[in-house]
Amino acid sequence: DIQMTQSPSSLSASVGDRVTITCRASQSISRYLNWYQQKPGKAPKLLIYAASSLQSGVPTRFSGSGSGTDFTLTVSSLQPEDFATYYCQQSYTTPITFGQGTRLEIK
Amino acid sequence: EEQLVESGGDLVQPGGSLRLSCAASGFTLSSYAMSWVRQAPGKGLEWVAAMSVSGGRAFYTDSVKGRFTVSRDTSKNTLYLQLNNLKADDTAVYFCAKEEQSSASFDCWGQGTLLTVSS
Repeated sequence: DIQMTQSPSSLSASVGDRVTITCRASQSISRYLNWYQQKPGKAPKLLIYAASSLQSGVPTRFSGSGSGTDFTLTVSSLQPEDFATYYCQQSYTTPITFGQGTRLEIK
Repeated sequence: EEQLVESGGDLVQPGGSLRLSCAASGFTLSSYAMSWVRQAPGKGLEWVAAMSVSGGRAFYTDSVKGRFTVSRDTSKNTLYLQLNNLKADDTAVYFCAKEEQSSASFDCWGQGTLLTVSS
């Protein structure tokens, strides 16, 4: 199975900050990497697919990059509604696997 | 608007069975691969099972192989997950998700249904 490791596991930041979350795959997954945002009690929401493509309707302050084994999700200027948990996910092969999540909290 | 609505979650005793449903609207379920993803209380996301576009292939995570079965009814535009021999570790919110065709990302999710396995 491909292991997905996110860092950090939690992060405190302020509105307006630029933040970056990292996701590392245990083997190459090309660009089959997706990012989701989840708020408490809600379903995950797709933000970025294929490593760097912005899902329709997602604000442009979200961006993704990377290929192979190393990927990043960047929020250029945090807004109050961005405080949530973020997950990376590889869709390269089954079993599909998720990172453990990064909880983004208000400082 | 594409929408998924799960149902069927309940409190079940260990060793019991249950069937979860996922009703799709706004798109034809049989045109997409579909997955079930679960989230134990306070934990992260875990992919559980998937059905191919054709409906001819199903895939499972190791911990549920032989116990869970994914299926669909195209006439009802509904995806199912049959869960047998349930264990306490199966306690979770179960989401169904639609797979985007080129990236295999999950671009549409249901709201989830809660399964609790406890005596």
